[in-house]
Amino acid sequence: EVYLVESGGGLVQPGTSLRLSCAASGFRFDDYAMHWVRQAPGKGLEWVSGISWNSDRLVYTDSVKGRFTISRDNAKNSLYLQMNSLRVEDTAFYYCAKYRGYDVSGSYYFDDWGQGTLVTVSS
Amino acid sequence: QSVLTQPPSVSGAPGQRISISCTGSSSNIWAGYDVHWYQQLPGTAPKLLIYSYTNRPSGVPDRFSGSKSGTSASLAITGLQAEDEADYYCQSYDTSLGGHWVFGGGTKLTVL
Repeated sequence: EVYLVESGGGLVQPGTSLRLSCAASGFRFDDYAMHWVRQAPGKGLEWVSGISWNSDRLVYTDSVKGRFTISRDNAKNSLYLQMNSLRVEDTAFYYCAKYRGYDVSGSYYFDDWGQGTLVTVSS
Repeated sequence: QSVLTQPPSVSGAPGQRISISCTGSSSNIWAGYDVHWYQQLPGTAPKLLIYSYTNRPSGVPDRFSGSKSGTSASLAITGLQAEDEADYYCQSYDTSLGGHWVFGGGTKLTVL
């Protein structure tokens, strides 16, 4: 069974940084692209970032480009999201999601999700 | 304003059938990219419900079905049950702005 467990969320002030982690198990991690999807409290889902199986391709939604960096460590079966210059509007649950394909392209789907970690940006 | 358009809410009585639509545009659904559906029960993470318009992952009851009609997609639930009360999201891929994944705004299903 696939397990994705996020950690690293918390309450931070605007302008500061936070690093999210996602520990994966139950599947061959380096066979799949991975993504981060967020959900502001009471709002809908928003795709944030994705990384190919070998880290060759990194993609971001426009609102986080230049501030967030996605990375992975296949040896540790882990996915990360380094979030800098955090804004109030980044407040959300952040979900780690396993992508059905190995590359960050095409119209595949997110077939497994973690339970999410809450990031609150507030002064 | 979401790239994919869904009705904000639908409702139905137990045993009834409901349908949720998902409409896109020339940079996503009309361009031939697949549509997928997720169910999010209250207080939980999203779960894949239907992939590539019509396919159910193992473990998803056959009360849930998806379809494609022209330039839109639909999710149908038959034999509505109380435990189906949740938010439902469609998702596709969009080629504008360099290519990214998009979700509908979500539809809240209320079982009366």
